[in-house]
Amino acid sequence: DQQVKQNSPSLSVQEGRISILNCDYTNSMFDYFLWYKKYPAEGPTFLISISSIKDKNEDGRFTVFLNKSAKHLSLHIVPSQPGDSAVYFCAASPFFQGGSEKLVFGKGTKLTVNP
Amino acid sequence: DSGVTQTPKHLITATGQRVTLRCSPRSGDLSVYWYQQSLDQGLQFLIQYYNGEERAKGNILERFSAQQFPDLHSELNLSSLELGDSALYFCASSVGQGAGGELFFGEGSRLTVL
Repeated sequence: DQQVKQNSPSLSVQEGRISILNCDYTNSMFDYFLWYKKYPAEGPTFLISISSIKDKNEDGRFTVFLNKSAKHLSLHIVPSQPGDSAVYFCAASPFFQGGSEKLVFGKGTKLTVNP
Repeated sequence: DSGVTQTPKHLITATGQRVTLRCSPRSGDLSVYWYQQSLDQGLQFLIQYYNGEERAKGNILERFSAQQFPDLHSELNLSSLELGDSALYFCASSVGQGAGGELFFGEGSRLTVL
């Protein structure tokens, strides 16, 4: 049973446009959500997070939106740059009910930003 | 550079064999986590150690075992290897027992079982 789903394996956008990566979750106990970015031959790196008490968190060109009723979150990258080309993993955890061992990852979406 | 070091980066072995993957966490981090990423799969949590003690277990097979040593480095032992064990194995670390998810990952060890 996949608790965190990233239904788009890949996404291609033009440089300067908006990239929107989507993630759905099924476990209503999840209350902390993260996005990790992974370049080839490197480990995932933390990008941005949001807790369930918020519906939006912004960090520079990256914004994460959370819709709790729909159990859906999205990552917006504006404007997209070729260096953003990577695999993006959505992850979720029941923050107040455990530590990072309860972190559940999606399968990832490969973003390609074309110059 | 996350500060987490994993060796070896690549490993090719045969079915039935045993391998050991090694991880050195970031300086000061007490928790070490092991994840497996198989083809087209997300990161699957295997096991966590905190300050030398096993803290949590995930989807880790009985053929796999791990430990964390007094200097806080960790080893993941994979035995009686099968073709399906071919995967990227990531180690991650955090200062405490994990603030809900922000982990620092190594570059991974790619295991190929032939």
